[in-house]
Amino acid sequence: ETGVTQTPRHLVMGMTNKKSLKCEQHLGHNAMYWYKQSAKKPLELMFVYSLEERVENNSVPSRFSPECPNSSHLFLHLHTLQPEDSALYLCASSLSQGVNTEAFFGQGTRLTVV
Amino acid sequence: AQSVTQLGSHVSVSEGALVLLRCNYSSSVPPYLFWYVQYPNQGLQLLLKYTTGATLVKGINGFEAEFKKSETSFHLTKPSAHMSDAAEYFCAVTQTRGGSYIPTFGRGTSLIVHP
Repeated sequence: ETGVTQTPRHLVMGMTNKKSLKCEQHLGHNAMYWYKQSAKKPLELMFVYSLEERVENNSVPSRFSPECPNSSHLFLHLHTLQPEDSALYLCASSLSQGVNTEAFFGQGTRLTVV
Repeated sequence: AQSVTQLGSHVSVSEGALVLLRCNYSSSVPPYLFWYVQYPNQGLQLLLKYTTGATLVKGINGFEAEFKKSETSFHLTKPSAHMSDAAEYFCAVTQTRGGSYIPTFGRGTSLIVHP
């Protein structure tokens, strides 16, 4: 248990579906992140929220829409995904002003797009 | 900008043998460096971190890493591999972007342990 909880752990969705991934942390952190991890590819940083403001959006397609309603919760809204979007989606949190503080990760959501 | 490079996408060792996973960094300022481990179908978890002070850092599960400024390296080692060490290992550095410190990861090294 790392203090970062992701739900659901597994998700299968069709290309026309709309679904959301949820991430929650109660570690007192003020930065939250979404990463995409595909087979045989490096960990891809998708979005960063610091103090509830988006500070990073790494050219992610608009079919992925993040939402950070408060410093403890982060969502990733999904719509009209493609099969190549199938991957493990990892949420993480940290202290954004702490240069030497580590990131805490959730266990991830395994997403399969059919 | 700070970045890390991990040499070798796969490392294979026998149980009981020395583990050496390589990481080199690029940074114009003193870096803060981390090693994370990821077991199958899990998130990443911190093994150890270097901030300032002692250059030899000890982590969990018998791993340690040495910060060598002259070689811009932060290699991860363990004297004797165990089957349970089989996992993906990521070297990371903190990057500053927009006033925030963001963890940035290497490509990862898969450690395979043979009986």
